[in-house]
Amino acid sequence: ETGVTQTPRHLVMGMTNKKSLKCEQHLGHNAMYWYKQSAKKPLELMFVYSLEERVENNSVPSRFSPECPNSSHLFLHLHTLQPEDSALYLCASSQTGTSRSIDTQYFGPGTRLTVL
Amino acid sequence: DQQVKQNSPSLSVQEGRISILNCDYTNSMFDYFLWYKKYPAEGPTFLISISSIKDKNEDGRFTVFLNKSAKHLSLHIVPSQPGDSAVYFCAASVRNAGNMLTFGGGTRLMVKP
Repeated sequence: ETGVTQTPRHLVMGMTNKKSLKCEQHLGHNAMYWYKQSAKKPLELMFVYSLEERVENNSVPSRFSPECPNSSHLFLHLHTLQPEDSALYLCASSQTGTSRSIDTQYFGPGTRLTVL
Repeated sequence: DQQVKQNSPSLSVQEGRISILNCDYTNSMFDYFLWYKKYPAEGPTFLISISSIKDKNEDGRFTVFLNKSAKHLSLHIVPSQPGDSAVYFCAASVRNAGNMLTFGGGTRLMVKP
């Protein structure tokens, strides 16, 4: 595997279910991100982990719970979601540092989530 | 309030001609700008970037221009190819503020053979 991978690619869940999205990066990066892309809206940053510590939480509802056990893996735990949470959830990674050329974020293919 | 805007939701260009995609921003603190390309069912793919100390960066068929006074950047693709058909997102960040990217809404480019 290369780059950033995400599983599952598609997920359908009911509002009472609990599920988790998984992201894995094979780039040796030290920062990982969760984004949400809803229909006709820009990508919205949800969470940022740098060196496995959460450094940003953009006022995301508590029904979304991130977990970063190490620098290569990132999870998004979902529970009691609402239909309006249906969206494409994208994971990204980057190597943070002082050089401008290494702050580029690389994205996974995303998980298409549908909440019924 | 959207800090990064792509006012054209779609653009259609003939193969071989130039494609110009535009992006405006409002936050004068942004000092690093990127363009991503996204195909259906895939995540965004990094295309090209520019820092605020430059006004132009070129990589093959892709050139990004930055006009800081106008808070405007553009992506030029010359010559355009049918495989360039995708959604293009511009993004901006403040380098010393944690590398958070703020994205525009995207422009769908269609290159006709």
